[in-house]
Amino acid sequence: QSVLTQPPSVSGAPGQRVTISCTGSSSNIGIGYDVHWYQQLPGTAPKLLIFDNNNRPSGVPDRFSGSRSGASASLAITGLQAEDEADYYCQSYDSSLSGVIFGGGTKLTVL
Amino acid sequence: QVQLVESEGGVVQPGRSLRLSCAASGFTFSSYGMHWVRQAPGKGLEWVALASYDETKQSYADSVKGRFSISRDNSNNRLYLQMNNLRTEDTAVYYCAKTDLKHCSSSSCLQSSFDFWGQGTLVTVSS
Repeated sequence: QSVLTQPPSVSGAPGQRVTISCTGSSSNIGIGYDVHWYQQLPGTAPKLLIFDNNNRPSGVPDRFSGSRSGASASLAITGLQAEDEADYYCQSYDSSLSGVIFGGGTKLTVL
Repeated sequence: QVQLVESEGGVVQPGRSLRLSCAASGFTFSSYGMHWVRQAPGKGLEWVALASYDETKQSYADSVKGRFSISRDNSNNRLYLQMNNLRTEDTAVYYCAKTDLKHCSSSSCLQSSFDFWGQGTLVTVSS
């Protein structure tokens, strides 16, 4: 059971928009700790997609965007492409655990 | 370019020990905190440990506290994870990862993102 809750799976057709939620609590996202997002393509290491809630590293397409509100965060992907099919993880910090926490991951299927 | 290369893992019996290493290049290793993150087969990511940039601070997940030890050699650009008293539930791919914040304190390192990851190495704990 992860401290950050993500839906196990989402899907969308090419060109569509999907969002992935990441729900935390008052000991992590809810008290203002930043949220980061990673994309993990099959058989590869995770790659940083969004840092500090809504910032994209250089090279990440602007089809990917992040937001945070209250104790939750979201990753939005617009103009879905086949190569977006991957697992997506949110990450933050938890003050009760004094450590890094990840969401359980969301598998994105492009129909 | 930044490169992180983990040493080969392997199969080890429960209760035994194993040391992983991560060779870093392409950045000023001694300026950045470094983490180990693991992923059990078919499961999600789990943070394991952090070593501060100056080797003075370490942080651990509760699941490994007292059994695992993270260290680094800034003169040779290497990160280590000493894993003792291994359990079957430690079976995972282990990744080393770099913080994206320079000279971060332990607390800020734990809050920052991981901007580069190694390719990972599989550790299997089985009798």
